[in-house]
Amino acid sequence: QLQLQESGPGLVKPSEPLSLTCSVSGASISSGGFYWAWIRQPPGKGLDWIASIYYSGSTYYNPSLKSRVTISVDTSKNQFSLKLSSVTAADTAVYYCARQVDYDILTGPIYHFDFWGQGKLVTVSS
Amino acid sequence: QTVVTQEPSFSVSPGGTVTLTCGLSSGSVSTHYYPSWYQQTPGQAPRTLIYSTNTRSSGVPDRFSGSILGNKAALTITGAQADDESDYYCVLYMGSGIWVFGGGTKLTVL
Repeated sequence: QLQLQESGPGLVKPSEPLSLTCSVSGASISSGGFYWAWIRQPPGKGLDWIASIYYSGSTYYNPSLKSRVTISVDTSKNQFSLKLSSVTAADTAVYYCARQVDYDILTGPIYHFDFWGQGKLVTVSS
Repeated sequence: QTVVTQEPSFSVSPGGTVTLTCGLSSGSVSTHYYPSWYQQTPGQAPRTLIYSTNTRSSGVPDRFSGSILGNKAALTITGAQADDESDYYCVLYMGSGIWVFGGGTKLTVL
């Protein structure tokens, strides 16, 4: 069974970078066929897609965050990571990693997120 | 900027039927946006319910169904149960690798 687990600091100071890692077990990122995504949820608010990456390094970013976000993948560790620079209190959120399914060999395009991590609360505060 | 709209809240009686919708601030939602739906209870990660407009994810009861109604995507719950009380989110694939979530609907079963 595929499992995703977020890890990283739970407290980040304003203006410093936020770094999180998602460890994937039960499947190999380098097998291809899926993108891997970061999604966040501020307390009491809705979900917001941040970025997605393929094992080859192909990336897509939310235009509203693109200038501050870097997503990367380490296939040797079966992990992918998020870095968000110059954080403010508005970046306080639960950060989820998820597997993104774009295509099924039998049915074609089926864009959605099928497996999610449990989430990591990151608070931005001095 | 594209905004995906959902009803902030909805209520349904146990055993009743409710339809939640997912629209666009400008334009119509079609199958080409591959709308998907997620259920989230407090403190938990989202759970995938429906993808590609109307395909139920593995293990999802058939009382959950998806469709396009008019110019919006729709999630219908038939025979609502107490444990359906959750937040429901839709997301649209906008193309070129970009995704936009709706603001979510808080469903109350009472």
